[in-house]
Amino acid sequence: GQNIDQPTEMTATEGAIVQINCTYQTSGFNGLFWYQQHAGEAPTFLSYNVLDGLEEKGRFSSFLSRSKGYSYLLLKELQMKDSASYLCAVPDSNYQLIWGAGTKLIIKP
Amino acid sequence: TAGITQAPTSQILAAGRSMTLRCTQDMRHNAMYWYRQDLGLGLRLIHYSNTAGTTGKGEVPDGYSVSRANTDDFPLTLASAVPSQTSVYFCASSPESGGYNEQFFGPGTRLTVL
Repeated sequence: GQNIDQPTEMTATEGAIVQINCTYQTSGFNGLFWYQQHAGEAPTFLSYNVLDGLEEKGRFSSFLSRSKGYSYLLLKELQMKDSASYLCAVPDSNYQLIWGAGTKLIIKP
Repeated sequence: TAGITQAPTSQILAAGRSMTLRCTQDMRHNAMYWYRQDLGLGLRLIHYSNTAGTTGKGEVPDGYSVSRANTDDFPLTLASAVPSQTSVYFCASSPESGGYNEQFFGPGTRLTVL
């Protein structure tokens, strides 16, 4: 079946770099998504990886290794507004998204 | 452009009562989804619709029903609410189905069943 694992919570310092990992098990593979969700708000799209490697988008980068079933989200130059939950998701065999429980990122001054 | 809207924002409902959560999008997206989000769990898919006139069951469909009479609206109905349906409900849409499209989420409905 499908399974996604992410750390429950991480803490980092303003201005620093943090890496949020996601491991997944799927019967097939059709890409991996990262979403950001601030407390009390809706998730918003950050990135989509379908090929191996690193994709950079400003302060945020996302990495994928299909052979290892592994992805990470890299956040640079952390700002207080980056305090949020980060959700990893992959499509299942019916092409519907299966979501990880999310990683709550706490940024300290 | 409003994007995707949900109503109500929040609701307290007595167990055994019925309720319809409304969802409307103005982006002309073909695919729409209903999720529930509970503390410590990921978003779980309740029902989805790949295009107007069709619906499908997600991971946790029991106790819920949906309809998709047109492109814009995708209401979720709880026929007889139970306390385990207390959750935050998110409606989402994407241009097409297929699992590789970005999903756009509504602001959510916080439902408490007592």
